[in-house]
Amino acid sequence: KQEVTQIPAALSVPEGENLVLNCSFTDSAIYNLQWFRQDPGKGLTSLLLIQSSQREQTSGRLNASLDKSSGRSTLYIAASQPGDSATYLCAVPMEYGNKLVFGAGTILRVKS
Amino acid sequence: GAGVSQSPSNKVTEKGKDVELRCDPISGHTALYWYRQRLGQGLEFLIYFQGNSAPDKSGLPSDRFSAERTGESVSTLTIQRTQQEDSAVYLCASSLSGVNTEAFFGQGTRLTVV
Repeated sequence: KQEVTQIPAALSVPEGENLVLNCSFTDSAIYNLQWFRQDPGKGLTSLLLIQSSQREQTSGRLNASLDKSSGRSTLYIAASQPGDSATYLCAVPMEYGNKLVFGAGTILRVKS
Repeated sequence: GAGVSQSPSNKVTEKGKDVELRCDPISGHTALYWYRQRLGQGLEFLIYFQGNSAPDKSGLPSDRFSAERTGESVSTLTIQRTQQEDSAVYLCASSLSGVNTEAFFGQGTRLTVV
């Protein structure tokens, strides 16, 4: 059974810092991994999707890496801003094309 | 539409009443998913549609929950005889094919059972 763990559970940093969020999964036979952000009381916004054949994906100040063999992904946020404050979730498909299994998330607070 | 749309955004209902939650996926997306998120908790999978059929409904918590999808478009999640433990945010997502494609979520419906 696939299990997804995110560390740390919460993180508070001053504005401008670079930071890393971690995601690990128990079954390395994944097809992709997706990172989302969730603002309080809102739905999920897709940030990045990394295919299993890729090592990393970049979008603006965000960079996500994937190491399938070790069951790990990291989300790197450069030059953090208060607007980055949100909960960050990673998820992998349970089965091919099927439901996503989510981590519990990392609550990020960027202080101005 | 431009994104996944859910309605209503908020619903307060009395215990024992039935509710219907609606999801309009991104046009052309054949895969549609419903999830539930209780306050302070993670996302729980409810049901997955591919086209109009539901190959995986393993997450529906009881027979009070049902969902349908018509015309490979709109989906409705129905909760009968609501209970207080049904209070949660219900999130809908869609993806192009469900086969290794990116999932996009709506803003959710916040259901409060009083």
